[in-house]
Amino acid sequence: EDQVTQSPEALRLQEGESSSLNCSYTVSGLRGLFWYRQDPGKGPEFLFTLYSAGEEKEKERLKATLTKKESFLHITAPKPEDSATYLCAVQVYTSGGSYIPTFGRGTSLIVHP
Amino acid sequence: GAVVSQHPSRVICKSGTSVKIECRSLDFQATTMFWYRQFPKQSLMLMATSNEGSKATYEQGVEKDKFLINHASLTLSTLTVTSAHPEDSSFYICSADTSGGAFWGETQYFGPGTRLLVL
Repeated sequence: EDQVTQSPEALRLQEGESSSLNCSYTVSGLRGLFWYRQDPGKGPEFLFTLYSAGEEKEKERLKATLTKKESFLHITAPKPEDSATYLCAVQVYTSGGSYIPTFGRGTSLIVHP
Repeated sequence: GAVVSQHPSRVICKSGTSVKIECRSLDFQATTMFWYRQFPKQSLMLMATSNEGSKATYEQGVEKDKFLINHASLTLSTLTVTSAHPEDSSFYICSADTSGGAFWGETQYFGPGTRLLVL
């Protein structure tokens, strides 16, 4: 069974304190790995798509990387407005032609000023 | 960017009643829409895939007779929770897709969600 595990479950940082969030996966036939940001009471907001091991994407203070077993979301010098839940999802190839992704439970990030 | 709206944003109902949630793509046509359910501190769980003009495809374990989905136009999908019970209380989110479901990530636009509380 395909699994996506995110760690830590919750993370508290001081403003400016860089850190990384982890998304490990056990799937066969990875088609893509996605990172989303979700604010309380809102729908997820797309951040990145990674397709192959070694790929990296950056956006402002965020950088996503991918290996064959996990992905990291690095947050450099975070600000309080980066506080949110970060979701990881993996999409696999299926014989039935389905492309539905499996989501992790997310990491709740709080950045204190 | 593309905008997806949901209505209502929050609903409280009595056990046994039915509740309809609307998902609209405001500035694009979505051939495929998806419905999810999210319990507190749990992952987003896909409930069903809705294609315009055809029957929805439900994920394993989701009761199709309880969660009725209608995708009558390229900009509107509705989820009706029939005979709602307290265990149906959750955060329901839709997403609209511009790639026909073949891709994900940047082609998926999520709605703001609907908080359902069944008393």
